[in-house]
Amino acid sequence: SQTIHQWPATLVQPVGSPLSLECTVEGTSNPNLYWYRQAAGRGLQLLFYSVGIGQISSEVPQNLSASRPQDRQFILSSKKLLLSDSGFYLCAWSRTSFSEKLFFGSGTQLSVL
Amino acid sequence: AQSVTQPDIHITVSEGASLELRCNYSYGATPYLFWYVQSPGQGLQLLLKYFSGDTLVQGIKGFEAEFKRSQSSFNLRKPSVHWSDAAEYFCAVGASGNTGKLIFGQGTTLQVKP
Repeated sequence: SQTIHQWPATLVQPVGSPLSLECTVEGTSNPNLYWYRQAAGRGLQLLFYSVGIGQISSEVPQNLSASRPQDRQFILSSKKLLLSDSGFYLCAWSRTSFSEKLFFGSGTQLSVL
Repeated sequence: AQSVTQPDIHITVSEGASLELRCNYSYGATPYLFWYVQSPGQGLQLLLKYFSGDTLVQGIKGFEAEFKRSQSSFNLRKPSVHWSDAAEYFCAVGASGNTGKLIFGQGTTLQVKP
């Protein structure tokens, strides 16, 4: 069966520090991968998605970047965090065909202070 | 562009009462529609989805949703709410193309009174 792992679960970082959140998927190959952010009191916003290794699409301009160095690994990064980067970050995957069910990780609560 | 609106940010119902969460979408073609539930501090879990066919869709945990094309709606219902249903509920529409992107609504927080 497929599983998705996301870590860390919580993270407190000072403004201006770097960020690296990692997400891995097991039990499937060539998944579509996604990073969503959920700001406090707001809905889910799609940040990045990837349909293959090294292929990243950004949905909104921001201080963050994403990379996919391996088929089932998706990394969210920042060189210098901003206060506005605080939020709940969710990694998700789906099969490569048409719009379909997303399988979500358990999320990372990021607090930038 | 695709969009999803959940008009109710917060809803409170008594345990045992019926529930309806509203969702309206904007999409040029036949949409793929989803309802997800998120418990506090957790990821999201799929409740049900609509792709085609019968417009009344049954999901997990006793939830159902009805697709009404004329109203561009996909409201979520449950005949009798349990305290464990307290959570945040998200409606989503499948974006165009084959990337599997979903556009989410802002979410509705459900509180259940004993």
